[in-house]
Amino acid sequence: GQQVMQIPQYQHVQEGEDFTTYCNSSTTLSNIQWYKQRPGGHPVFLIQLVKSGEVKKQKRLTFQFGEAKKNSSLHITATQTTDVGTYFCAANAGGTSYGKLTFGQGTILTVHP
Amino acid sequence: EAGVAQSPRYKIIEKRQSVAFWCNPISGHATLYWYQQILGQGPKLLIQFQNNGVVDDSQLPKDRFSAERLKGVDSTLKIQPAKLEDSAVYLCASRLTGTASYEQYFGPGTRLTVT
Repeated sequence: GQQVMQIPQYQHVQEGEDFTTYCNSSTTLSNIQWYKQRPGGHPVFLIQLVKSGEVKKQKRLTFQFGEAKKNSSLHITATQTTDVGTYFCAANAGGTSYGKLTFGQGTILTVHP
Repeated sequence: EAGVAQSPRYKIIEKRQSVAFWCNPISGHATLYWYQQILGQGPKLLIQFQNNGVVDDSQLPKDRFSAERLKGVDSTLKIQPAKLEDSAVYLCASRLTGTASYEQYFGPGTRLTVT
């Protein structure tokens, strides 16, 4: 079955430093999504990437989808304490999967003030 | 717009007991998902419904887990009998079909502890 690997597993940064998490799929994807889960909370949708090489920005967050549509990254510029949480990529293989997502194991981000 | 509702929020049971979880998706969302999230891992899909039909249950341990969505709205997930390794958060999510977005909306989850 489809495998989604996410690295690093943990990232500790000082407030103001940048942060990047990477996601790699064993298969070509239809689209990829990113979710954020605060401690004790549930996953919350951040963005969906569909096109090869796509780059999207949300304020300090930059999302990229690889040219081969098998990898993706999330970059946060100048982290803030509000960025604390676990960031998951979620891969959709398309076809008849009806939007089935395979989640990576997540990157836990801690930000020291 | 009301979000995805789940109950109970917490449940503690002994192994070999049974337990049921309830989910009410966002109104109009035809697709409903149940996930199992073990501490420190990403959500793992257990079962996916499209209206009241099962689309994917390939990762559902069918010897002990069952789920239904009889009227295409609410859904229940049952575990019988529970094992220690079933301790996890059970998340329900829903999605609006017929759009270009595959965004899933998650409920708050039910935290199950099996002792």
